[in-house]
Amino acid sequence: QSVLTQPPSASGTPGQRVTISCSGSSSNIGGTTVNWYQQLPGTAPKLLIYSNNQRPSGVPDRFSGSKSGTSASLAISGLQSEDEADYYCAAWDNSLNAWVFGGGTKLTVL
Amino acid sequence: QVQLVESGGGVVQPGRSLRLSCAASGFTFSSYGMHWVRQAPGKGLEWVAIISSDGSNKFYADSVKGRFTISRDNSKNTLYLQMNSLRAEDTAVYYCANENYYGSGSYLDYWGQGTLVTVSS
Repeated sequence: QSVLTQPPSASGTPGQRVTISCSGSSSNIGGTTVNWYQQLPGTAPKLLIYSNNQRPSGVPDRFSGSKSGTSASLAISGLQSEDEADYYCAAWDNSLNAWVFGGGTKLTVL
Repeated sequence: QVQLVESGGGVVQPGRSLRLSCAASGFTFSSYGMHWVRQAPGKGLEWVAIISSDGSNKFYADSVKGRFTISRDNSKNTLYLQMNSLRAEDTAVYYCANENYYGSGSYLDYWGQGTLVTVSS
């Protein structure tokens, strides 16, 4: 059972907009920033969004992040087949003194 | 460009030890905290440990506390994970990642390709 809760799966058709939620508590998301990672099949995770809504250079602006209270969301607009991957949220938990990850969301492009 | 290269994985019997290494290049290693994160086969990401830039502060996941030790050698730009009393449930791909900072928060920035540890008799 992960400290951060994500839906196990999400799907959409090419061109659609999909959102992935990440729910936590006041000791993690509610008290610090949230980061998102993309893991393509068979590869290492890659930073997608940091500090709630910042995109590293090279990440398309189709990807956006937001945070409200103890929840965060990742939105992908103009869905493409190459976006098919696992997506994870992560944050520092100041009660556990540990980094915590969501269980991951498998995105399928139909 | 930032490069993180893990090594030291392999097959080990339960109860034995293994040491992983992560060679860093392309950034000022001694200025950044470093992490270990693992991923069991077919499962999600699990954070393992973090060490501060100078090695003075370390935090561990409860699942490895007392068995694993994170350390670093800034003169060699290398991060380590000493794993003792290994269990079957420690079987995973182990990734190292550097920590970066923005505003009041931080994040795991670049990740290595991972090294597979299999604990089996």
